[in-house]
Amino acid sequence: EDQVTQSPEALRLQEGESSSLNCSYTVSGLRGLFWYRQDPGKGPEFLFTLYSAGEEKEKERLKATLTKKESFLHITAPKPEDSATYLCAVFRGGADGLTFGKGTHLIIQP
Amino acid sequence: NAGVTQTPKFQVLKTGQSMTLQCAQDMNHNSMYWYRQDPGMGLRLIYYSASEGTTDKGEVPNGYNVSRLNKREFSLRLESAAPSQTSVYFCASSYSLTVADTQYFGPGTRLTVL
Repeated sequence: EDQVTQSPEALRLQEGESSSLNCSYTVSGLRGLFWYRQDPGKGPEFLFTLYSAGEEKEKERLKATLTKKESFLHITAPKPEDSATYLCAVFRGGADGLTFGKGTHLIIQP
Repeated sequence: NAGVTQTPKFQVLKTGQSMTLQCAQDMNHNSMYWYRQDPGMGLRLIYYSASEGTTDKGEVPNGYNVSRLNKREFSLRLESAAPSQTSVYFCASSYSLTVADTQYFGPGTRLTVL
């Protein structure tokens, strides 16, 4: 059974304090790993897709990396507007859709 | 482009009542999905439609039915609502089910069953 575990469950940082969120997974035949951002009361918003170990993608203050067992979402010099829940999901193709982790609730304090 | 739209945004039902959640996408996507999100559980797949004319069960299909009305629209029906179906429901769409295409999500429907 595919499993996706995100840690920490919650993280509180000061503005400008860089950190990383972790997504560890056990899935056979990973076809893609997705990161989404979700603001309160809204639907998940797509951030990145990573397809193979060693791949990295960046967008503004966010950088996602992938190994064979886990993915990291690095947040550099975060701002209060980066506060959100960050969701990780894995896809191994076919009828199973995305398997989501429970998310990391990130709060950036001014 | 509106992307993925869902109606209604909020709904309160009594146990045993029925309702249909509506979803539409304007991205010409082939595949559509219904998820539910519960505190501490993450998003779970209820039903999906790989392409127009096909539907299949996901991880938690019990108590739900779906209809792929056309390429744009995918509805979720609760025939006899139960308190356990209190949740936030998200519709999503992607170009294809078989490759790692991005799934785009709607704003959600917040359902409470009393």
